[in-house]
Amino acid sequence: GENVEQHPSTLSVQEGDSAVIKCTYSDSASNYFPWYKQELGKRPQLIIDIRSNVGEKKDQRIAVTLNKTAKHFSLHITETQPEDSAVYFCAARAWVAQKLVFGQGTRLTINP
Amino acid sequence: SQTIHQWPATLVQPVGSPLSLECTVEGTSNPNLYWYRQAAGRGLQLLFYSVGIGQISSEVPQNLSASRPQDRQFILSSKKLLLSDSGFYLCAWSVERVNYNEQFFGPGTRLTVL
Repeated sequence: GENVEQHPSTLSVQEGDSAVIKCTYSDSASNYFPWYKQELGKRPQLIIDIRSNVGEKKDQRIAVTLNKTAKHFSLHITETQPEDSAVYFCAARAWVAQKLVFGQGTRLTINP
Repeated sequence: SQTIHQWPATLVQPVGSPLSLECTVEGTSNPNLYWYRQAAGRGLQLLFYSVGIGQISSEVPQNLSASRPQDRQFILSSKKLLLSDSGFYLCAWSVERVNYNEQFFGPGTRLTVL
């Protein structure tokens, strides 16, 4: 079955700098890769996703890149702000699998 | 638009007591439904998922069970709670289209077993 590894487990950056979180997956059939942001005590919220037919997707300050050959995908946050502080989860899914497989999470802290 | 509800929002139960958590989805039909548990400071553990009424897949053997009595209702149960059952329980539903599987989480139930 699918296995998703996420790094780093914790990340601390200065406000205004960029943050990058990386994930690798094992199942070459996976074709959908979402990213979730979870603030303390809240539910995970879908912030961006990418499908296997594209290599990059941007939404304002966040972007996701996908390398199908290497089986890895990354979340990029530019011009970080204090409200970006949260736990971020990556996930992968093959359509037929009917479920997402999540990474272990990255605790991102933005230092003012 | 679609919405997902969970109740109760918080629950404190003694060890050995039963449990019933409910999740309902509005504004969609035949969704996939999921139950996750999140221990404090930890990741998302998939417990059960369902692709239709009466169809339940279990991911982790444990003292919990799930049922889907109606298309948009998903229930998580236990006959006897353990201390290790404490955590944040999240229900989720997903859009099921080829290559397009957005998944959305409910607000969660915070369970403390004493």
